[in-house]
Amino acid sequence: ILNVEQSPQSLHVQEGDSTNFTCSFPSSNFYALHWYRWETAKSPEALFVMTLNGDEKKKGRISATLNTKEGYSYLYIKGSQPEDSATYLCASDYNQGGKLIFGQGTELSVKP
Amino acid sequence: DTAVSQTPKYLVTQMGNDKSIKCEQNLGHDTMYWYKQDSKKFLKIMFSYNNKELIINETVPNRFSPKSPDKAHLNLHINSLELGDSAVYFCASSPGTGWSETQYFGPGTRLLVL
Repeated sequence: ILNVEQSPQSLHVQEGDSTNFTCSFPSSNFYALHWYRWETAKSPEALFVMTLNGDEKKKGRISATLNTKEGYSYLYIKGSQPEDSATYLCASDYNQGGKLIFGQGTELSVKP
Repeated sequence: DTAVSQTPKYLVTQMGNDKSIKCEQNLGHDTMYWYKQDSKKFLKIMFSYNNKELIINETVPNRFSPKSPDKAHLNLHINSLELGDSAVYFCASSPGTGWSETQYFGPGTRLLVL
C-alpha cells in the first residue's frame, strides 16, 4: 500500500511569517510529485508538478523542492498573507495511468 | 467559463435510493476521474476513463458505476445508497494519462445519505 504523508496537519501563522511544510512519499518507482492548493468550498488548484531529483519550482511567493532519493518534498511560502490560507495537498504519481496518491493535506491559516 | 463542472453541488437522499452525479469538462481533455474524499479527508481515486474507456477501477463497491457517454462527460451512478456513501465526490480531468500531467478538479458534490 502506497502512503503519502504530510506534516504538520495544520499550521497557524501570522501575516508576514514565512512557513514550510513537508510531503513524504515512497521513493520506489516514483515518477512525479504534484502540489495542489485547496481553498474551502473551491476546487483543488494545481501549483506544481515535479519529476526530477533536486527540482525546484516557484510561483510568486510559493516554492517547492523535491528529493526523490529520500522521498520528500518541501513547500515554502515566503511572507504569508491571509489569502494564502488554504489546505495544501501533495500527491505522488507512480505512472499508473494517472492514479495519484494524495496526502491528507496541511491546513494553513494566516492571521492578519 | 467553468473548466470542470459537477451537478448537483449538494445531494441529500434516503438510504436505499439510486442517484447520479454528472461531470463535464470543456478543456478538451481525454481523461476523466472520480475521487472520493473519505472521512479522514484523503482524496482517493475511484475510477478513471480515457477516451470513454475505463482504465482505473479501484476497489469500490459495485453499487458504484461510472459511465462516459463521450470524452467530455463522466457520470457516476450509485445504486442502493448506504449511510457510508456520505462523502464529497470530486471529478477531475487531465490531457491524458501521462505521469506528470496536471489534473483539473471540479468543485465537488456533497452527498449526504440519511
